[in-house]
Amino acid sequence: EVQLVESGGGLVQPGGSLRLSCAASGFTFSSYEMNWVRQAPGKGLEWVSYISSSGSTIYYADSVKGRFTISRDNAKNSLYLQMNSLRAEDTAVYYCARYSSGYSLAYFDYWGQGTLVTVSS
Amino acid sequence: DIQMTQSPSSLSASVGDRVTITCRASQGISSWLAWYQQKPEKAPKSLIYAASSLQSGVPSRFSGSGSGTDFTLTISSLQPEDFATYYCQQYNSYPPTFGPGTKVDIK
Repeated sequence: EVQLVESGGGLVQPGGSLRLSCAASGFTFSSYEMNWVRQAPGKGLEWVSYISSSGSTIYYADSVKGRFTISRDNAKNSLYLQMNSLRAEDTAVYYCARYSSGYSLAYFDYWGQGTLVTVSS
Repeated sequence: DIQMTQSPSSLSASVGDRVTITCRASQGISSWLAWYQQKPEKAPKSLIYAASSLQSGVPSRFSGSGSGTDFTLTISSLQPEDFATYYCQQYNSYPPTFGPGTKVDIK
């Protein structure tokens, strides 16, 4: 069974940093492209960042470019999101989501349960 | 960026009703469209991909159609567990973008 379990969320002050983790199991993690998608309270879904299976290709949404860094450790079956210079508008539930195929753009076939990041003073 | 719109934004329906939700892309996306279901406080769940292909394990009362810019999600006979918010998503070009959602609640 595919499982994605996020952790690392919490309350942080504006300008602060946080590192999210996503532990993957039930599939060959190193063969799949991975993403972070977020959802502000009461709002819709927003794609945040993509990383290829090898980690060699990375994309970011304009809203987080230069502040967030996605990475992965295939030996540990883990995905990460380093978030710096956090703003109030970054407050959201952050989901780890797997792409369905080996393409660099696909649909999200599995999602984690999410971790809440709150940016507030 | 490709903008996705959905209509209606919400609807009220009864168990057994046929429900149709529309999604429109701001430019042609071929059949690179997915549908997701999200229940309160839960992660989204994949329902449909490639506009009309049913994700494994999803009941056959869900179906999708369309290509280009106009797409529909149909629930043939609404069940109690189908009350949720539904999102469409395009994966034709970066960034992948979602519609604003359609909330289906009990009449």
